[in-house]
Amino acid sequence: GENVEQHPSTLSVQEGDSAVIKCTYSDSASNYFPWYKQELGKGPQLIIDIRSNVGEKKDQRIAVTLNKTAKHFSLHITETQPEDSAVYFCAADSNYQLIWGAGTKLIIKP
Amino acid sequence: EPEVTQTPSHQVTQMGQEVILRCVPISNHLYFYWYRQILGQKVEFLVSFYNNEISEKSEIFDDQFSVERPDGSNFTLKIRSTKLEDSAMYFCASIEGGGKETQYFGPGTRLLVL
Repeated sequence: GENVEQHPSTLSVQEGDSAVIKCTYSDSASNYFPWYKQELGKGPQLIIDIRSNVGEKKDQRIAVTLNKTAKHFSLHITETQPEDSAVYFCAADSNYQLIWGAGTKLIIKP
Repeated sequence: EPEVTQTPSHQVTQMGQEVILRCVPISNHLYFYWYRQILGQKVEFLVSFYNNEISEKSEIFDDQFSVERPDGSNFTLKIRSTKLEDSAMYFCASIEGGGKETQYFGPGTRLLVL
């Protein structure tokens, strides 16, 4: 079955700098890769997703890249702001089931 | 914007008791899910539900768990005899279907088993 690994577990960056979170997956049949942001005490909120026929997708300060050959995908946040502080989860979909990474706690230092 | 809702937000129960967690998915969505997240750990898939039946379930979803869509709007998760290790956040999610794969999550129910 699908296995998703996520790194790092904690990431601390200076406000205004960029943050990159990386994930790898094992099942080459996976074709949908969402990223969720979870703030304390709340449910996960989708921030961006990418499908396997696309290599890169961007939405304002957030971008995701996908390398199907290497089976890894990454989240890039530029010009980080205090409100970006949260736990970020990557996931991979197979047969409409999401398999999640372990999460990355992103800390934005003022 | 339509959203998934869940009730209650918090539930405290005694070990061995039955609990029912309730979800109202987005109205035109066709696929429904339950996930759980033990404190500090990753989100884990429990079960998916489509066309009034379970389509996938994980190893976690044993005979103590059941799901039901009793009417056209609610989607429930029942735990028959709760154990201490059932303490977690439980999230409901739904997908529109028809090729649209984005899962929309509810705010979760925090279950504490004493």
